[in-house]
Amino acid sequence: DGGITQSPKYLFRKEGQNVTLSCEQNLNHDAMYWYRQDPGQGLRLIYYSQIVNDFQKGDIAEGYSVSREKKESFPLTVTSAQKNPTAFYLCASSIQGATEAFFGQGTRLTVV
Amino acid sequence: GESVGLHLPTLSVQEGDNSIINCAYSNSASDYFIWYKQESGKGPQFIIDIRSNMDKRQGQRVTVLLNKTVKHLSLQIAATQPGDSAVYFCAENQGSARQLTFGSGTQLTVLP
Repeated sequence: DGGITQSPKYLFRKEGQNVTLSCEQNLNHDAMYWYRQDPGQGLRLIYYSQIVNDFQKGDIAEGYSVSREKKESFPLTVTSAQKNPTAFYLCASSIQGATEAFFGQGTRLTVV
Repeated sequence: GESVGLHLPTLSVQEGDNSIINCAYSNSASDYFIWYKQESGKGPQFIIDIRSNMDKRQGQRVTVLLNKTVKHLSLQIAATQPGDSAVYFCAENQGSARQLTFGSGTQLTVLP
């Protein structure tokens, strides 16, 4: 089945550690996105990529890094510089920028 | 700040009644709008979209209305069912290829 897969579903991180969240899609979409969602709030854009080997900062990129070495994959690293990383992270993809986006099921990251 | 917002953070309706969820946007250049449904702990799912050259679009049990004069978007759900309980987000394309901008969401609760 075509879709977008995030892993793991739950992730725990100790303070000071970097962690990487996986996002893979087999929809042949050019554009991919990472959003952060906090309780009772909307989605805030962290990073986005419209083509392989290119990505742009979103509204809250500080403390995060990404790579786009393959069309299918857009991993997000939450670095120790991110002061409040506990949140629900959503990855999405679309045929092109700013059109219907398909979302993964999310990764819930908790700092312990 | 976000240009897309919702009038009500929560909405409770009786099973079988119609639901109306509202959304305001501020960018008159936005030409594409989407409604998403997000169930607890899951990623958002596409419900329906509408382009700015339309006033109304209907899907299965859902209707989206667009009033460009007052920059208002609404989602109507007919004969609301318990499975409709979720958070509903509107999103807009602000006329660029960057990404969709999401509102903060409305929690819809269907009462038995």
